[in-house]
This record gives sequence, C-alpha cells and structure tokens, in this order.
Amino acid sequence: SQQGEEDPQALSIQEGENATMNCSYKTSINNLQWYRQNSGRGLVHLILIRSNEREKHSGRLRVTLDTSKKSSSLLITASRAADTASYFCATQAKGYGNKLVFGAGTILRVKS
Amino acid sequence: NAGVTQTPKFQVLKTGQSMTLQCAQDMNHEYMSWYRQDPGMGLRLIHYSVGAGITDQGEVPNGYNVSRSTTEDFPLRLLSAAPSQTSVYFCASRSLAGSTGELFFGEGSRLTVL
Repeated sequence: SQQGEEDPQALSIQEGENATMNCSYKTSINNLQWYRQNSGRGLVHLILIRSNEREKHSGRLRVTLDTSKKSSSLLITASRAADTASYFCATQAKGYGNKLVFGAGTILRVKS
Repeated sequence: NAGVTQTPKFQVLKTGQSMTLQCAQDMNHEYMSWYRQDPGMGLRLIHYSVGAGITDQGEVPNGYNVSRSTTEDFPLRLLSAAPSQTSVYFCASRSLAGSTGELFFGEGSRLTVL
C-alpha cells in the first residue's frame, strides 16, 4: 500500500505553542495534501505541495516535503483551541491516476 | 452552493440487508469517490469515478457497488450488509481541471450493521 503514515498518533499542546505533525509515504508522488477533520465532520483541505516543491506556507501553516526521505511535515504556529482536530496527509502517487490515499491521521488537542 | 451532499446521515441495518448511500455534488466535478473511515485506520478508498459511465475500484471494494449515470450523482450500494461494514462513509469530489487537486468532502454517513 502507498498509504501515508502520520506521526505522532496524538499530540497535546498548550494554546500559543507550535504543533508539528509528520507524514511518511512509500512511493513516488505527484503531490501531497494535508486535511483537517473536526469531530463528527467531513475533511477540509488545508494545503497541497507538489513533488517539485520543498516548502509551502498558508497563514499559520507551513508544510515541507522531502522526496528523498519520502516524508512531509505540517507545522501549525501559535496554535489556538480551535485548531483541535484530526489532521491527515494524503498522497497522489505517480502511476496511480487520480486516486488520493490517506494516512491514519494525527489527533491534535490544543488546551486553553 | 451545497457542495457535496450525503444521505442518510445515520443508518442501522441488519446483517444481510441491502441499502444505498446517496452522494450528490453541484460543483460539476468530474472525479467522485467513496471512502470509509474506521478508528485508527484513516480513510480507505472504496470506489471512485472520473466521469459519467466510468468507475474503478479502490483499496477496499468488496461488498460494495457503484454506478455513475450522471456527473452529479455517485451512489454507493451495499449488496448484503455485514458487521464489518459498520463504519463512517465519506463521499468526496474534485475537479480534474486546474491544479489544486483539492478534494471536497460530504459530512459523512454513519452506518451500523447489527
């Protein structure tokens, strides 16, 4: 399976701290995406990084991609209680068409 | 703009019963897909479609059928429900044009098979 794997499985931090989540995958990719899921809701797209990009920013989000290590990280700076959610990475692998394969996710809890 | 709409939100079935989960999108997206979400396993792709009349299998297709007769609708059929199909099901769609690759998700359908 080309499924990504997130690390850690769960993360608990204080409001204002930074949160870092990591994702590893197995095959060459076209792009890697991060999604957020609030409890009981559908997933919401956060950011996409292409295989030829190394870093991308969106507001308080910073994503890095290291294709040599087949890994990505998502950094949320100055976290807020509203950032409490599950975060998933998803990969669109080369040769697998349009399919997007998700990892198991990281549960982030931000304490106020 | 409704986005991706799934019905029903909750359903309880008995083993062996059949049912259809409905999914509709109003964004004219070519790509539609069904995932199931189980604790600790993330989302697993069941079936997907890149346009009307075209469907293909994902990672866990057994026990499920799909069809795509229109761009808007992508129903998921459970032929003979089993307890192992107890899960939360998500429909998602995206445009194949452009460069964002962003998937739009419905709110999910929670299925319990007794």
